Amino acid sequence: EDKVVQSPLSLVVHEGDTVTLNCSYEVTNFRSLLWYKQEKKAPTFLFMLTSSGIEKKSGRLSSILDKKELFSILNITATQTGDSAIYLCAEYGNKLVFGAGTILRVKS
Amino acid sequence: ETGVTQTPRHLVMGMTNKKSLKCEQHLGHNAMYWYKQSAKKPLELMFVYSLEERVENNSVPSRFSPECPNSSHLFLHLHTLQPEDSALYLCASSQDPGGDWGYTFGSGTRLTVV
Repeated sequence: EDKVVQSPLSLVVHEGDTVTLNCSYEVTNFRSLLWYKQEKKAPTFLFMLTSSGIEKKSGRLSSILDKKELFSILNITATQTGDSAIYLCAEYGNKLVFGAGTILRVKS
Repeated sequence: ETGVTQTPRHLVMGMTNKKSLKCEQHLGHNAMYWYKQSAKKPLELMFVYSLEERVENNSVPSRFSPECPNSSHLFLHLHTLQPEDSALYLCASSQDPGGDWGYTFGSGTRLTVV
């Protein structure tokens, strides 16, 4: 059965720190890997990764996929309190499978 | 708002009640989804509709009954629920059933079964 594992489960950092969130997956018929940020309720889309080794970047956030080792990382540099959220990784193969998420708390 | 609207935002219902959750999208997407998010558990896919036809049902109990009258609207009819069904129910849509262009989520309905 397809599986997505995220680590760490939770993380507390100070403003200005850099964080790396991990996502590993086991899947049949891989199509893409997606990262979401969830604050309060609705997850908002961050990145979709389909190719290995190509970094996607949006402001202070970046993400990369390794299809050989079956993992992805999400980096956030110069963290701000507004980055506090649950970060969800999802893998799309035959269906969309979510990990349990990483709870990030950024303290001022 | 993300383009996917869910109502109501909050719902408290007894185990013998019948209620419905509504989802509406104005993005021109062709696929819509219901997800359940329980505390400390990953998002669980419940139903997928593509072009108004149900294409996947992940063994969800029959007390949850989806309805997709057109490509813009999706309902989840609830009856004789259990307290463990209390969760956040999220609706999502995508341009195509494969979701290759990403998914857009609604804000969810927080359901409490008493």
